[in-house]
Amino acid sequence: NAGVMQNPRHLVRRRGQEARLRCSPMKGHSHVYWYRQLPEEGLKFMVYLQKENIIDESGMPKERFSAEFPKEGPSILRIQQVVRGDSAAYFCASSSMTPSSGNTIYFGEGSWLTVV
Amino acid sequence: AQTVTQSQPEMSVQEAETVTLSCTYDTSENNYYLFWYKQPPSRQMILVIRQEAYKQQNATENRFSVNFQKAAKSFSLKISDSQLGDTAMYFCAFMKPVSGNTPLVFGKGTRLSVIA
Repeated sequence: NAGVMQNPRHLVRRRGQEARLRCSPMKGHSHVYWYRQLPEEGLKFMVYLQKENIIDESGMPKERFSAEFPKEGPSILRIQQVVRGDSAAYFCASSSMTPSSGNTIYFGEGSWLTVV
Repeated sequence: AQTVTQSQPEMSVQEAETVTLSCTYDTSENNYYLFWYKQPPSRQMILVIRQEAYKQQNATENRFSVNFQKAAKSFSLKISDSQLGDTAMYFCAFMKPVSGNTPLVFGKGTRLSVIA
């Protein structure tokens, strides 16, 4: 399966701990997006990255949250000192720039963070 | 900023019947992409259908079709011959392809229940 791969699927953290969510984009895709979905709500954009660059982080909280997409390896969304309000589903998506893809964005299966 | 509005929080349809989900959006752009995503109980985000704003012809994918009214900024999804597996949250999304990919903007979703 060459889809967007996210891990872990489920993560439980105590308040104050760190959460790291990983995302491997589809093969050939160099654009990665992170979205957050709170219960019973739609997806909210957090950050858009290309290899080694953050393109748009306008949706990311200024504190405790960071994201990277290194030259080698998966994209990582890092949440430091988690609080109960960080409990949500975090979706990664990827896309390519090829005209044939029509700028379509494909999503992973999501990572569910529960803060206890 | 672009906004996407889905005015129907919940809908239901009898199996084998047809249902239409509404979506309107607000933008000053002339060229853009519109999408419908489906999120079943498994919570995975699945692309249903895509429409490019410069194409007048409405997109169709098997039982799924759209009614794209550019002047009215309307992008409704029609599901024909509804099946139990169509039960899901449906999200309308907008993307502006300027200088590369830009983040998807989602509506709040419509919860569709297909009744046997």
